[in-house]
Amino acid sequence: ETGVTQTPRHLVMGMTNKKSLKCEQHLGHNAMYWYKQSAKKPLELMFVYNFKEQTENNSVPSRFSPECPNSSHLFLHLHTLQPEDSALYLCASSQAASDLYEQYFGPGTRLTVT
Amino acid sequence: AQSVTQLGSHVSVSEGALVLLRCNYSSSVPPYLFWYVQYPNQGLQLLLKYTSAATLVKGINGFEAEFKKSETSFHLTKPSAHMSDAAEYFCAGGADGLTFGKGTHLIIQP
Repeated sequence: ETGVTQTPRHLVMGMTNKKSLKCEQHLGHNAMYWYKQSAKKPLELMFVYNFKEQTENNSVPSRFSPECPNSSHLFLHLHTLQPEDSALYLCASSQAASDLYEQYFGPGTRLTVT
Repeated sequence: AQSVTQLGSHVSVSEGALVLLRCNYSSSVPPYLFWYVQYPNQGLQLLLKYTSAATLVKGINGFEAEFKKSETSFHLTKPSAHMSDAAEYFCAGGADGLTFGKGTHLIIQP
């Protein structure tokens, strides 16, 4: 595997379900990110991890819970979601959490909440 | 706060014509600027980046962008559009946190 991978690619879940999104980067990077991409809205940064430590949480509801066990893996745990949470969730990584470094994106998980 | 504005949510050009996608930024400090492309059902792919080394930046797939401080712009161009260029393009900038523009959907007409 190369680059940034995300699983699953598609997920349909009910509002009472609990599921997790997984992201893995094979680039030797130290920073990882979760973004939400909704139709007709800019890319929204959700969480930033730098050297496994969460450095940013952009006022994301607690029904989204990130986990970064090491610099290569990032999870997004989901529970009691709302239909408006349906979106494409993108994971990215970079050399460090600095604007100087470009971010490399995974293919995304298309989430549908029913 | 840093902001990035992309003018035009949709741009349509004929195959072989010049592509021009506009991006303006607002920042009190010199920014780092990026252009990304997103094909359907895929993540974002870096096209090019500006980090103050040179004002004209060349990227992949024949794209380039010029940083103009006086105009606070970082427009993306390609001399001759190809059908495979049809995609969503995002400008992003950071000086104190990376911000993405809303994106421009590029349509290529045969």
